[in-house]
Amino acid sequence: AQRVTQPEKLLSVFKGAPVELKCNYSYSGSPELFWYVQYSRQRLQLLLRHISRESIKGFTADLNKGETSFHLKKPFAQEEDSAMYYCALSGGSNYKLTFGKGTLLTVNP
Amino acid sequence: NAGVTQTPKFRVLKTGQSMTLLCAQDMNHEYMYWYRQDPGMGLRLIHYSVGEGTTAKGEVPDGYNVSRLKKQNFLLGLESAAPSQTSVYFCASSSYGTPNQPQHFGDGTRLSIL
Repeated sequence: AQRVTQPEKLLSVFKGAPVELKCNYSYSGSPELFWYVQYSRQRLQLLLRHISRESIKGFTADLNKGETSFHLKKPFAQEEDSAMYYCALSGGSNYKLTFGKGTLLTVNP
Repeated sequence: NAGVTQTPKFRVLKTGQSMTLLCAQDMNHEYMYWYRQDPGMGLRLIHYSVGEGTTAKGEVPDGYNVSRLKKQNFLLGLESAAPSQTSVYFCASSSYGTPNQPQHFGDGTRLSIL
């Protein structure tokens, strides 16, 4: 079975502060990890995926297979980063996504 | 390019009523999905489809039925609505590929059952 855990329901930081949204997963094979973001009154959209190894809107995430983690990081948070963030996992031929319960990030001015 | 379109956007039903939510995608994706989003629960998969004419159960299928008669459409039906089905429903689609391709989501349907 595959499982995704986001331990923080709410995360509040000040503008310019570093932010880290935690994601841990459980999966026996080689996982594919994603971060999705949902801004207020907008549809859920892909932020980044681990195989792309890219930085989107200043966010990065590294897959750590030893710690089974895929934490999302940004060195300097901006107010427009305030949103709900979901970590998601799929594996092998299983194209279905398993989502975490989400973390609501608030960046205060 | 509209992507994934869901109709209606809002609906209020009485307990016991039936309704159908429509999802349409114009990206020629093979896979389509229906999720529900509830506070503190994240997104949970209701049903999904790997192609025209095929459907399968997800994590929380009870009380829902689906159909995929055309590749671009995926319908979600509630035969007898219950208050526990009050939720925001999201449709998504993705293409076939290795590695697994990202899912594209619609705007959601906010459904209230009284």
